[in-house]
Amino acid sequence: IAGITQAPTSQILAAGRRMTLRCTQDMRHNAMYWYRQDLGLGLRLIHYSNTAGTTGKGEVPDGYSVSRANTDDFPLTLASAVPSQTSVYFCASSDSINEQFFGPGTRLTVL
Amino acid sequence: GQNIDQPTEMTATEGAIVQINCTYQTSGFNGLFWYQQHAGEAPTFLSYNVLDGLEEKGRFSSFLSRSKGYSYLLLKELQMKDSASYLCAVMDSNYQLIWGAGTKLIIKP
Repeated sequence: IAGITQAPTSQILAAGRRMTLRCTQDMRHNAMYWYRQDLGLGLRLIHYSNTAGTTGKGEVPDGYSVSRANTDDFPLTLASAVPSQTSVYFCASSDSINEQFFGPGTRLTVL
Repeated sequence: GQNIDQPTEMTATEGAIVQINCTYQTSGFNGLFWYQQHAGEAPTFLSYNVLDGLEEKGRFSSFLSRSKGYSYLLLKELQMKDSASYLCAVMDSNYQLIWGAGTKLIIKP
């Protein structure tokens, strides 16, 4: 692994289903983030984690949950997907307040 | 509320210079970032300004005026590969990034 990986690359999901987006980084960064990116809007922060064992809510956390059991992994779970959660999801990590490094993204469609 | 404004789209000619502006109103300021994002790809870091003035990095430069809540990204000697979206983001008092919607830059031969 080099940098940040995300899985799956893309997914089509029926409304009401549960889905976990995976994110793994090998840079030993303390902070990790989940964003969604929608056409015409800036990246919006869903949840973040400043260090392993802690998480926080971002701008649009409703319908999403995260966990940070260790430094490397930061999964995002949609408990019961809805069509408004159709988006491109990016995971990112950073060392303190420096630049954020982004994963390749997951394109999620909820029908 | 917090707000980042940048033009939606700009067009420029290969070999020319283009300036992409960004204005911001945020609760606190801990630096301003510029990212490049090619279509279908992840954003990648270009520059970081926390003090007023110009930061130059090769063909790209970024300027910041904190008193005016204003920044610009200057791209010189434009190449076709510079066609991308350019995202302005401000780190607020909680050390979270507030993102603009991005400026799509179209380069014409």
